[in-house]
Amino acid sequence: EIVLTQSPGTLSLSPGDRATLSCRASQNVISNFLAWYQQKPGQAPRVLIYGAYTRATGIPDRFSGSGSGTDFTLTISRLEPEDFAVYYCQQYGGSPYSFGQGTKLEIK
Amino acid sequence: QVQLVESGGGVVQPGGSLRLSCAASGFDFSTFAMHWVRQAPGKGLEWVTMIPFYGGDQHYADAVKGRFTVSRDNSKNMVFLQMDSVGLDDTAVYYCARGWGYFGHWGRGAQVTVSS
Repeated sequence: EIVLTQSPGTLSLSPGDRATLSCRASQNVISNFLAWYQQKPGQAPRVLIYGAYTRATGIPDRFSGSGSGTDFTLTISRLEPEDFAVYYCQQYGGSPYSFGQGTKLEIK
Repeated sequence: QVQLVESGGGVVQPGGSLRLSCAASGFDFSTFAMHWVRQAPGKGLEWVTMIPFYGGDQHYADAVKGRFTVSRDNSKNMVFLQMDSVGLDDTAVYYCARGWGYFGHWGRGAQVTVSS
């Protein structure tokens, strides 16, 4: 089973700042099958990135994904007020399809 | 548009059973794998189970293996989660999600509370 560890647990930033979120896997993620999700309170998660760097339909280009193997990054270039939420990474290279524990992005 | 609507949630006693349903619409259901993902109160996301488009070769998280069973009815565009021998740790919002690996579409979730 692949364990995903996200850091930091909480990130305090201001609108307009750049956010960098990390996801580290306990072993190589097959074919870089790594996705990122955003979740706001009371809502279902929404996929932002899949295949490590491909933006999902309708996702603004301020969101970008990078990395390969065991180290992956989600970058939000200029934070908008609606970007403050919890972010999860997930690997789908093989069962079980594990999630990271999440990074909470909060307003400073 | 793609819609996934869960139902069947509620309160169940420890050791009891519950069956969740997910009604799908807006896409060719018979060609997509379906998943259940849960989220305990104040906690992160936990993948539970996956059923391929053809219904066979299901996969389960260790935490539910042997207690939960996923099934689907492609003629009715429905996926089900039979939850048996539930425990307090099974209390969560259960989401139905579409995708072979990553989840591009999610339902709004069904609350399951295990309590005596």
